[in-house]
Amino acid sequence: RKEVEQDPGPFNVPEGATVAFNCTYSNSASQSFFWYRQDCRKEPKLLMSVYSSGNEDGRFTAQLNRASQYISLLIRDSKLSDSATYLCVVNTPDSGYALNFGKGTSLLVTP
Amino acid sequence: DAGVIQSPRHEVTEMGQEVTLRCKPISGHNSLFWYRQTMMRGLELLIYFNNNVPIDDSGMPEDRFSAKMPNASFSTLKIQPSEPRDSAVYFCASSQGGNYGYTFGSGTRLTVV
Repeated sequence: RKEVEQDPGPFNVPEGATVAFNCTYSNSASQSFFWYRQDCRKEPKLLMSVYSSGNEDGRFTAQLNRASQYISLLIRDSKLSDSATYLCVVNTPDSGYALNFGKGTSLLVTP
Repeated sequence: DAGVIQSPRHEVTEMGQEVTLRCKPISGHNSLFWYRQTMMRGLELLIYFNNNVPIDDSGMPEDRFSAKMPNASFSTLKIQPSEPRDSAVYFCASSQGGNYGYTFGSGTRLTVV
């Protein structure tokens, strides 16, 4: 079983819509959580860290549910420029500083 | 800062040839990671270094792959001999460690024919 699992999508949504992605992780001892964004043929870039209390950055809200071992990302008022693949990322103690990446969820925002 | 710098950006080589990928991490970052990305398997960790010392190389597919970090500002990933199944995008990333995320380089797109 892969450590980090995501729905690959694609999610096709109109501009202005709200879209949510979920991700589950297998190791209950995981400590650090992130969402990365990857544009086509580009490198992954850190979108935001995910904190236990939940956190918001503009139109983006990340939440963590440790009991159920899932992480979510909510995008409000989606823009065409939000079209990308969103990668759920988890660190586990036994992997040291290494991060485990999900395979990503593809989002396409249409006019 | 110029970010993580990888070279070459693209590499096309024939099966059996040696391939060397290069990475310069962000100055002051003490952890360096090599990942491989394919459509089928996503991002896979190959090896990572902390303070220039290899910490975990369990992701290196086989003995044909080797990585070095002779100093804090340079690392190489070598494949010898290369095979078509090695075709992928290879990313280098660096980090300050702890709970900080990574900064990735632009990647090397490797095609082995």
